[in-house]
Amino acid sequence: QVQLVESGGGVVQSGRSLRLSCATSGFIFNNYGFHWVRQAPGKGLEWVGVIWFDGSDEYYPDSVKGRFTISRDSSKNTVYLQMNTLRAEDTAVYYCVRRWGDGMDVWGRGTSVTVSS
Amino acid sequence: QAVLTQPASLSASPGASASLTCTLRSGINVGMQRIYWYQQKPGSPPQYLLRYKSDLDKNQGSGVPSRFSGSKDASANAGILVISGLQSEDEADYYCMIWHSNVVVFGGGTKLTVL
Repeated sequence: QVQLVESGGGVVQSGRSLRLSCATSGFIFNNYGFHWVRQAPGKGLEWVGVIWFDGSDEYYPDSVKGRFTISRDSSKNTVYLQMNTLRAEDTAVYYCVRRWGDGMDVWGRGTSVTVSS
Repeated sequence: QAVLTQPASLSASPGASASLTCTLRSGINVGMQRIYWYQQKPGSPPQYLLRYKSDLDKNQGSGVPSRFSGSKDASANAGILVISGLQSEDEADYYCMIWHSNVVVFGGGTKLTVL
């Protein structure tokens, strides 16, 4: 079955870096782009960025542009979110989501990131 | 003004219908947008429900009951998620989403209470 499994979350100090991974299975990896979406405690959903199916394009919101980068490794069917210069407001559960059309369909269970000051 | 505006909460009775609105900011024409809807229950990730642009351009998520449907109110510039025959298990947070100008935008979410 289609699965996305995030990992790499944890507690990190403000200003440091962290890389999240999203291992995928059950579908043809190279046919799909991927989003990252986060959710701060008790808050709504916030989009963090997207990478195209072939890696040719990426888009980010202003809140993370220049600090976060999405990449992909087709040999491992894995997507990554590199997060640099982390801030307290980056504390959230981070979800990896499969891009479908101009939306998204399958969500992972998420990985929690806490940025401590 | 937020790009997508959803009412923070909505209450409805079991067996009734609920209409959850997602109002687009002025200048963004709802008729041109595919609107995606997601359901999130406590402690779980969001799940895709459906996509609606028009009756000719729509999609129901796998396993999503036909009680869930999409529509639009052009006069209000809004997308609508309609849940008919409400059940207690429909109590959840619901988010709308669009892709606009190369960014994804989520609405703030509506907490649906079934009581």
